[in-house]
Amino acid sequence: GIQVEQSPPDLILQEGANSTLRCNFSDSVNNLQWFHQNPWGQLINLFYIPSGTKQNGRLSATTVATERYSLLYISSSQTTDSGVYFCAVPSNTGKLIFGQGTTLQVKP
Amino acid sequence: ETGVTQTPRHLVMGMTNKKSLKCEQHLGHNAMYWYKQSAKKPLELMFVYNFKEQTENNSVPSRFSPECPNSSHLFLHLHTLQPEDSALYLCASSQGSVLAGFGGRETQYFGPGTRLLVL
Repeated sequence: GIQVEQSPPDLILQEGANSTLRCNFSDSVNNLQWFHQNPWGQLINLFYIPSGTKQNGRLSATTVATERYSLLYISSSQTTDSGVYFCAVPSNTGKLIFGQGTTLQVKP
Repeated sequence: ETGVTQTPRHLVMGMTNKKSLKCEQHLGHNAMYWYKQSAKKPLELMFVYNFKEQTENNSVPSRFSPECPNSSHLFLHLHTLQPEDSALYLCASSQGSVLAGFGGRETQYFGPGTRLLVL
């Protein structure tokens, strides 16, 4: 089945710094989603981005479907950005397959 | 607030107890999902309901029993659980699901989760 790998697994930033999170997937997909799981466990949709670039405030995402990767950019990070960031892609049966996540800690 | 609510938010139960988790979505979606998230593991899909019909049971033990009385409500009935079932249980909904022909294109919206501890 399709494999999803995220890097780095852990990231510690000082408040105000920028970061790039990466998601590689092993097969072509028609959908990719980025999620943020806050420290209380809630999973929030950030982007639905099968291809191209989208921006939402300090966050932006780019998916290059032909090269099977997606990037999530966080600029001017804040402590509230802390948590785990997941990317997910559908399998050939449509089930969402999640990566292992990148755990981000933003220090004040 | 994503439009998907879950209750309770936290639950502690013994291995002989019976309890139920509840999920409700206010988005007018037709598909609902149960996921399990254990420590240090990716989210695992447990069940999928599309238009109240179960379309996927991802090899989940029978001590987990889902119920979907209508497109807005989803329950997960728990009985004789094991300590290894302790996890965060997340509910999600989407406009459609695989068998509706959306093929994974639909965005899933997640609830806040129920953190379950089995003693």
